[in-house]
Amino acid sequence: NAGVTQTPKFRILKIGQSMTLQCTQDMNHNYMYWYRQDPGMGLKLIYYSVGAGITDKGEVPNGYNVSRSTTEDFPLRLELAAPSQTSVYFCASSAGTSAFEQYFGPGTRLTVT
Amino acid sequence: AQSVAQPEDQVNVAEGNPLTVKCTYSVSGNPYLFWYVQYPNRGLQFLLKYITGDNLVKGSYGFEAEFNKSQTSFHLKKPSALVSDSALYFCAVIDPGYSTLTFGKGTMLLVSP
Repeated sequence: NAGVTQTPKFRILKIGQSMTLQCTQDMNHNYMYWYRQDPGMGLKLIYYSVGAGITDKGEVPNGYNVSRSTTEDFPLRLELAAPSQTSVYFCASSAGTSAFEQYFGPGTRLTVT
Repeated sequence: AQSVAQPEDQVNVAEGNPLTVKCTYSVSGNPYLFWYVQYPNRGLQFLLKYITGDNLVKGSYGFEAEFNKSQTSFHLKKPSALVSDSALYFCAVIDPGYSTLTFGKGTMLLVSP
């Protein structure tokens, strides 16, 4: 049981490039989330999904896209990378909403230069 | 709207002394409250949660938290701190009418030998 896995661990992008951050969970959780963490700012929700085929915007969705074709996978796509997207990105999953704790992946550290 | 505040950026405590990390919240209904811990270069780990019932909640690694509805607080406590408790701690809240958690900005706990 690997939990939530993320790839890559680190990535450097040039301005204007695109990339996909991968997230997979093996706990059969319906709910999945993408957060970004900036120093002193806590976690900000980018997108979330309540099940395969269903996604919704979080607090900071601009510049990102997601898809959820399977229960296990929830990739995050960055189009036209900008320096403001330099951050640490975390994927998380949970068995339900509200009362259920979230399980986090190890994170992807992204630098855009 | 829901919000959470962690008024201290950093808490310093000597090993063996009790520790408290503060959290206050604002929701329109009855809150669900969570504490997570983040060790360096790792994802967040769930520590404990308050959903309903006893105001004193016990969690992992000897941590506990007290829900105080009149003061809208959910402070994290431990009777005797360990150097290995040094980490970044996040409080989070969800109003059951909402779909997603709101995280505080985090409090760095430093336990000195």
